[in-house]
Amino acid sequence: SQQGEEDPQALSIQEGENATMNCSYKTSINNLQWYRQNSGRGLVHLILIRSNEREKHSGRLRVTLDTSKKSSSLLITASRAADTASYFCATDKAAGNKLTFGGGTRVLVKP
Amino acid sequence: DTEVTQTPKHLVMGMTNKKSLKCEQHMGHRAMYWYKQKAKKPPELMFVYSYEKLSINESVPSRFSPECPNSSLLNLHLHALQPEDSALYLCASSLLGGEGYTFGSGTRLTVV
Repeated sequence: SQQGEEDPQALSIQEGENATMNCSYKTSINNLQWYRQNSGRGLVHLILIRSNEREKHSGRLRVTLDTSKKSSSLLITASRAADTASYFCATDKAAGNKLTFGGGTRVLVKP
Repeated sequence: DTEVTQTPKHLVMGMTNKKSLKCEQHMGHRAMYWYKQKAKKPPELMFVYSYEKLSINESVPSRFSPECPNSSLLNLHLHALQPEDSALYLCASSLLGGEGYTFGSGTRLTVV
């Protein structure tokens, strides 16, 4: 069963614009992770934020976590056509034993 | 080596066939996972192995049988599958203790 719900389900932007997607979850977590998937192949781990952290950066990625609202956001700045992919949030309730994925956001970056 | 290798990449099998999916990693990860993903859906957890022992089975039908021969290998044995089992099967590995997973590229399975 899905732990997280993502919003929006799909996003279309121009190259150079920022893309923001949100993830909500239902139960307490140890950490929350974001993954990218291109064309239905393997997932690539982007960033992990722990329950005691509020914000994290990695290159053009910025992730926030609000445990009081059980929500997270992923911001991709200055998007590129190569960022076109599906993005999934995933929650880990017990430190590495079981990662549960949200529904995903399909992002299209138009050149 | 920072990869998870899955073979085969594509598999077509009949409902009476027996086949196996293979997954290998050499990163020293002691947790390995099988996920199933249908088109335009998120991955769904099937099995978790920790230190080569099955720790989680998400009520997966017995026609799917996992095996972990050693700390680097994970197999998924398939028997008497149904067409609705057609999906992308993803293997992943991780350190235990709340770190990111490394996924393989998956096996796209079609049951005819």
